[in-house]
Amino acid sequence: GQSLEQPSEVTAVEGAIVQINCTYQTSGFYGLSWYQQHDGGAPTFLSYNALDGLEETGRFSSFLSRSDSYGYLLLQELQMKDSASYFCAVRGFQKLVFGTGTRLLVSP
Amino acid sequence: DGGITQSPKYLFRKEGQNVTLSCEQNLNHDAMYWYRQDPGQGLRLIYYSQIVNDFQKGDIAEGYSVSREKKESFPLTVTSAQKNPTAFYLCASKLGQSYFSGANVLTFGAGSRLTVL
Repeated sequence: GQSLEQPSEVTAVEGAIVQINCTYQTSGFYGLSWYQQHDGGAPTFLSYNALDGLEETGRFSSFLSRSDSYGYLLLQELQMKDSASYFCAVRGFQKLVFGTGTRLLVSP
Repeated sequence: DGGITQSPKYLFRKEGQNVTLSCEQNLNHDAMYWYRQDPGQGLRLIYYSQIVNDFQKGDIAEGYSVSREKKESFPLTVTSAQKNPTAFYLCASKLGQSYFSGANVLTFGAGSRLTVL
């Protein structure tokens, strides 16, 4: 089977840096993705790691360690608009499996 | 602009009724997916289709049915056999028929919120 674990909620203030962790157990692994979802909205793709290391896209970075079955999303220079839920998703043998999501609350 | 259109955005159903949620994409994507999202939970895969006239069950297919008669369309029917259908339903698509082709990016529609009265 496949399972992913993320913290349920993270809080931070504007301008800060926050890291959202994701650990996974899968039968077959072809990459780790991150999606952002604002309340009532559609998830949108943020990043993808197929190989170990750090991928940077603007204020967001994502890291993967396949040997540890672990990844994280790093959000820098937090803004109020970053308040949303963040999902990690593992690309397994046949499909993309999502974690339960981390709700990020950014306060002034 | 290309995208995925889901309708209706809100739907109310009486117990025992079947309802069909529409999903249309003009992205020329090959694969399409239906996910269910419950409050505070992740996305669970209901059905997916990688090619016209073919589809596979996901993790929670019981009580649901789909069809894929056209590349652009992947409607989901929530049948009366689904015991707890109240949820937010998301349709998504991906470029590439083969699982190993195309970018690893799902494009989602805005969702349909179904409430059973």
